[in-house]
Amino acid sequence: SSELTQDPAVSVALGQTVRITCQGDSLRSYYAAWYQQKSGQAPILVLYGKNIRPSGVPDRFSASSSGDTASLTITGAQAEDEADYYCDSRDSSGKHVFGTGTKVTVL
Amino acid sequence: QVQLVQSGSELKKPGASVKVSCKASGYMFRSYAINWARQAPGQGLEWMGWINTKTGNPTYAQGFTGRFVFSLDTSVSAAYLHITSLKAEDTAVYFCARDFGVGNDYWGQGTLVTVSS
Repeated sequence: SSELTQDPAVSVALGQTVRITCQGDSLRSYYAAWYQQKSGQAPILVLYGKNIRPSGVPDRFSASSSGDTASLTITGAQAEDEADYYCDSRDSSGKHVFGTGTKVTVL
Repeated sequence: QVQLVQSGSELKKPGASVKVSCKASGYMFRSYAINWARQAPGQGLEWMGWINTKTGNPTYAQGFTGRFVFSLDTSVSAAYLHITSLKAEDTAVYFCARDFGVGNDYWGQGTLVTVSS
């Protein structure tokens, strides 16, 4: 299965907007899912499909995709959004791959 | 409500085996596949593979063949990860997660497996 590459770390000022990207060949065919993982906790699904938020996920989280790149945008970042974020996709055989992860720091 | 509850932390010596359980509740167990993922200390998530809960057929990611075995007990809605011949580099948190087709919507709390002499 193909790799998914993410920037290791990004920072954002409180209330500002940050975009996290995920790049890989499988994204040309499949949407990414996105997970938030806080220190010492299990991941939580925050986005999937074209731009779908599970119940309970704030609407400041949104997804987009173009070519081989998927993006997660946090519009109006809050302190509680500080976490690691992982993208997830699959190849044509159904095998998954996780992205390398992005640490988001809210300043 | 949907829950995946994993077994507790394990401390094992090199060469030993460990079995991690993942007990599902709140939904029809056979309706969703179960994925397994590993997270070594300070590292990212690594997909280990998945098991088809209708057929019991497992699929393993590269690097997780041979010593890693996925199994089920559908009578108690549980999935299992069995690791043999443990090595220090197997020290990690292991997660199970429910695959709803376009991602993993519910995750277990994770099981820390520590391999140390």
